[in-house]
Amino acid sequence: GNSVTQMEGPVTLSEEAFLTINCTYTATGYPSLFWYVQYPGEGLQLLLKATKADDKGSNKGFEATYRKETTSFHLEKGSVQVSDSAVYFCALNSGGGADGLTFGKGTHLIIQP
Amino acid sequence: NAGVTQTPKFRVLKTGQSMTLLCAQDMNHEYMYWYRQDPGMGLRLIHYSVGEGTTAKGEVPDGYNVSRLKKQNFLLGLESAAPSQTSVYFCASNLRGLTEKLFFGSGTQLSVL
Repeated sequence: GNSVTQMEGPVTLSEEAFLTINCTYTATGYPSLFWYVQYPGEGLQLLLKATKADDKGSNKGFEATYRKETTSFHLEKGSVQVSDSAVYFCALNSGGGADGLTFGKGTHLIIQP
Repeated sequence: NAGVTQTPKFRVLKTGQSMTLLCAQDMNHEYMYWYRQDPGMGLRLIHYSVGEGTTAKGEVPDGYNVSRLKKQNFLLGLESAAPSQTSVYFCASNLRGLTEKLFFGSGTQLSVL
């Protein structure tokens, strides 16, 4: 079956630090990969996505590259801000099926001024 | 445009009580989902629906029932609440075949004492 593994949190960084949140996956076929962000008290929002190998998704300064050879989709940002504090979820969908996305457990990111 | 609306936002139940969570979307989406979010567990799919009058079990369906009598509404019922059902519940929806454009509600925080 499908599964997503994310690094455990919380991750605490200082403002302007470099961010990496690791994500690896197991899936049949060729899944689409996603990063979702959840701000306090809100639902999840799509941050970025990649639909095939070597694609790079990017949004709001965040980037992630679909690495088929290492089955990874690590999230990176060059200089984080306090407003980036949130929970980040890696997710996959294999084949656009009706049973939604498979999510990782989430990584809580805390940015200190 | 309201998107995905969940009611109520908060609820406290006693063990054995019943309740229904309502999810409404105004985007004419065919697919709707109920997830639960627990610390260290990420999001887990409870039930989903691919259209009016149809529902299917997800990863953790036990103790819950659902109904999709109208396309825009997806109801999640707890017939006899248990403390293990204390969680944050999220509804989500998307157009058929567009799982990457999954829209989430803001969540319902449920405590079962």
